[in-house]
Amino acid sequence: EPEVTQTPSHQVTQMGQEVILRCVPISNHLYFYWYRQILGQKVEFLVSFYNNEISEKSEIFDDQFSVERPDGSNFTLKIRSTKLEDSAMYFCASRELASDTQYFGPGTRLTVL
Amino acid sequence: AQTVTQSQPEMSVQEAETVTLSCTYDTSESDYYLFWYKQPPSRQMILVIRQEAYKQQNATENRFSVNFQKAAKSFSLKISDSQLGDAAMYFCAYKGTNAGGTSYGKLTFGQGTILTVHP
Repeated sequence: EPEVTQTPSHQVTQMGQEVILRCVPISNHLYFYWYRQILGQKVEFLVSFYNNEISEKSEIFDDQFSVERPDGSNFTLKIRSTKLEDSAMYFCASRELASDTQYFGPGTRLTVL
Repeated sequence: AQTVTQSQPEMSVQEAETVTLSCTYDTSESDYYLFWYKQPPSRQMILVIRQEAYKQQNATENRFSVNFQKAAKSFSLKISDSQLGDAAMYFCAYKGTNAGGTSYGKLTFGQGTILTVHP
């Protein structure tokens, strides 16, 4: 069964460094999402992406964040200058055009020291 | 803005018994979707069940069923014949429609309920 994959599974970085989190959505899906979950808290929406542009973003998704679909398969989340409070689990999700169900990847745990 | 509330931080159940997890939500939309996701210790988010608001019939997936009360804005999850593998964090989530362009598919999650299954 097709699934969303994410790399790396765990990323440790120093405060102020740039990180890129990678996702490979399910191949025939056209909507892509990033969510984050700070440890012990609920999952929060960051951004949605469709037709090569951001369709919606939350207030969390400030200028430090960007998303890109550099080729036909990858979907990336870049954090330009990481802060301690960016430490969280980051989930990528995707869905088909005609479906309302999002399928999640296994997540990337980001630790900012 | 839509909100989702799970009032039970933790629940426990004996193996083979039935447990119900509660979820309420607030919305002004008439058409929307509701989901239950399971998050085991691996932290992977796994879809358990979904419900379209325009359907009056409650969704069922094997041992999992929902009690959807649209007027009360309630969406509870019932797990029958609980198994040890059901132990996880369960999240209720809401998705609005694209009408008016105010919700382009994002999910709004509740705080989660930790379910413990005792052998």
